[in-house]
Amino acid sequence: QKEVEQDPGPLSVPEGAIVSLNCTYSNSAFQYFMWYRQYSRKGPELLMYTYSSGNKEDGRFTAQVDKSSKYISLFIRDSQPSDSATYLCAMSVNAGGTSYGKLTFGQGTILTVHP
Amino acid sequence: DSGVTQTPKHLITATGQRVTLRCSPRSGDLSVYWYQQSLDQGLQFLIQYYNGEERAKGNILERFSAQQFPDLHSELNLSSLELGDSALYFCASSVGGRGLGNYGYTFGSGTRLTVV
Repeated sequence: QKEVEQDPGPLSVPEGAIVSLNCTYSNSAFQYFMWYRQYSRKGPELLMYTYSSGNKEDGRFTAQVDKSSKYISLFIRDSQPSDSATYLCAMSVNAGGTSYGKLTFGQGTILTVHP
Repeated sequence: DSGVTQTPKHLITATGQRVTLRCSPRSGDLSVYWYQQSLDQGLQFLIQYYNGEERAKGNILERFSAQQFPDLHSELNLSSLELGDSALYFCASSVGGRGLGNYGYTFGSGTRLTVV
């Protein structure tokens, strides 16, 4: 079983819809949680970052972390065709050693927002 | 342009060969990370260098090696290539050694390696 599970989709929604993306994880040592967006033929770019549990909002994007359930979510409000991309969750432990700078990524969810 | 430069963008080579992928980090970033992205495995962490020293290691094959030079650019060497090594190889960089916080990693556009 993978440390981070993410439904690969694909997910197709109409423009203006609210999109919900989520990941579950098994490693309780994860403390840092991120969402990256990856357009075709590009490298991932950081969208949201959250430390420990709680919510964080940035414009149309809201990230939620529920450490008790080992579950994180990304909500996109008023989705736009330009939001069409692959969304990757990523996590990191708060420890040194051989995992120092490592991010563990989910498989990624392919999202298409159609006009 | 993210500021992280990877060369070459595409590489086609035969099984058993050796290739070198190059990465120049964003100006001011001291950490370089290498990731492999394939359809079945997703993004997998290979190795991290911080200011010239190896800092973290993932499930990097023994046939793969990397280094970071004094000017902070990094090279990933892949040898005895197999068909299964075909993938996108990403380099990322960060200011600090953890790549966390609101700045996170900055990824390059990747090198697409095809082994035939």
